[in-house]
Amino acid sequence: DAGVTQSPTHLIKTRGQHVTLRCSPISGHKSVSWYQQVLGQGPQFIFQYYEKEERGRGNFPDRFSARQFPNYSSELNVNALLLGDSALYLCASSFYTGELFFGEGSRLTVL
Amino acid sequence: SQQGEEDPQALSIQEGENATMNCSYKTSINNLQWYRQNSGRGLVHLILIRSNEREKHSGRLRVTLDTSKKSSSLLITASRAADTASYFCATDAGEYGNKLVFGAGTILRVKS
Repeated sequence: DAGVTQSPTHLIKTRGQHVTLRCSPISGHKSVSWYQQVLGQGPQFIFQYYEKEERGRGNFPDRFSARQFPNYSSELNVNALLLGDSALYLCASSFYTGELFFGEGSRLTVL
Repeated sequence: SQQGEEDPQALSIQEGENATMNCSYKTSINNLQWYRQNSGRGLVHLILIRSNEREKHSGRLRVTLDTSKKSSSLLITASRAADTASYFCATDAGEYGNKLVFGAGTILRVKS
């Protein structure tokens, strides 16, 4: 069975641009969560979606948005990129609660 | 902000030795989980311990939880070079679960 897949794996943007990151959960998982991991730190919670509804939002500005599609895949959008948005963005899926299954991440560099 | 704080920040041991990592947190939790990360890649779930459990084992891993002290420890016995990675504790206190709060992690290096 395929694990959580994320795309793109690496991308470089300039300040002020917009980025869309994509995530496909493990088959059967209806919950998708997004985390940001800055170099040298632990992951920070951004969003959780379950059955296409937002179930949680972390302490991130409104420039960050996400959605979940009927097939349970998800997109994370970040507008007006700042240098500080450079990070590894991790997507995780699960049945509902408990153990999270993470993808390999999308590494975003903002110049 | 991060709730969990791991200790030590970095640990270097010889193959075959045991490695102990500690985690402290601030608020009441539903469960506490440990994850492993190799070189900035995705995280891999190691073990989950619920708030009403005190100890849990999985292969060479042993996790303890002391809710009165708001602390947990992860013991890796008979370490191997392949155990070299960053280890994170994560607490789940949210209403819907899955809103994990991670600590800054412990970098473990196992020398062969």
